[in-house]
Amino acid sequence: DAMVIQNPRYQVTQFGKPVTLSCSQTLNHNVMYWYQQKSSQAPKLLFHYYDKDFNNEADTPDNFQSRRPNTSFCFLDIRSPGLGDAAMYLCATSRNRGNEQYFGPGTRLTVT
Amino acid sequence: GENVEQHPSTLSVQEGDSAVIKCTYSDSASNYFPWYKQELGKRPQLIIDIRSNVGEKKDQRIAVTLNKTAKHFSLHITETQPEDSAVYFCAASKEGWGKLQFGAGTQVVVTP
Repeated sequence: DAMVIQNPRYQVTQFGKPVTLSCSQTLNHNVMYWYQQKSSQAPKLLFHYYDKDFNNEADTPDNFQSRRPNTSFCFLDIRSPGLGDAAMYLCATSRNRGNEQYFGPGTRLTVT
Repeated sequence: GENVEQHPSTLSVQEGDSAVIKCTYSDSASNYFPWYKQELGKRPQLIIDIRSNVGEKKDQRIAVTLNKTAKHFSLHITETQPEDSAVYFCAASKEGWGKLQFGAGTQVVVTP
């Protein structure tokens, strides 16, 4: 019954080597979000899609990109990961903006 | 933009006692206030939420109160149990806005 699925759950990448994280949802929600969460901190919104409309947060580094090829899937691309990008990456969905957000289990990214 | 402050940062309670976490927000246009529980290494899970058209909402042992005039809202957990130990995040949002502004989180420890 998983509603928001993230793959992989754990990802190890090398410094500077591009990496892609995946999120899918079975809820048919309009909005998909990507958050970065570092240890002992609150989730930090990177960007979100409202349908196909991409909304970037002002302080999200250019190193982070996203794609949403269809309603169900959303990808987070990190073009050149640095050591500071090691974190938990959480995908979330909501029916519309301002509605309840449902989080996926997250992908733990390690950068070596 | 919206700013959410959350207190205390850590809370230790004896099993069976009550726990209260308080949050304040800055944007009077915010109208949706969810609370998330996050256990170590797991996803944030929505435990209760409240919209600005009500002042209080209860679900079994948890309740949330909202004071729009003072711009603060609180989470109340009664009869705490060891499984209530987790980090709790408050958040604020508004309809049509794709962002949850999180508080910094409260580490709750329930000791038997």
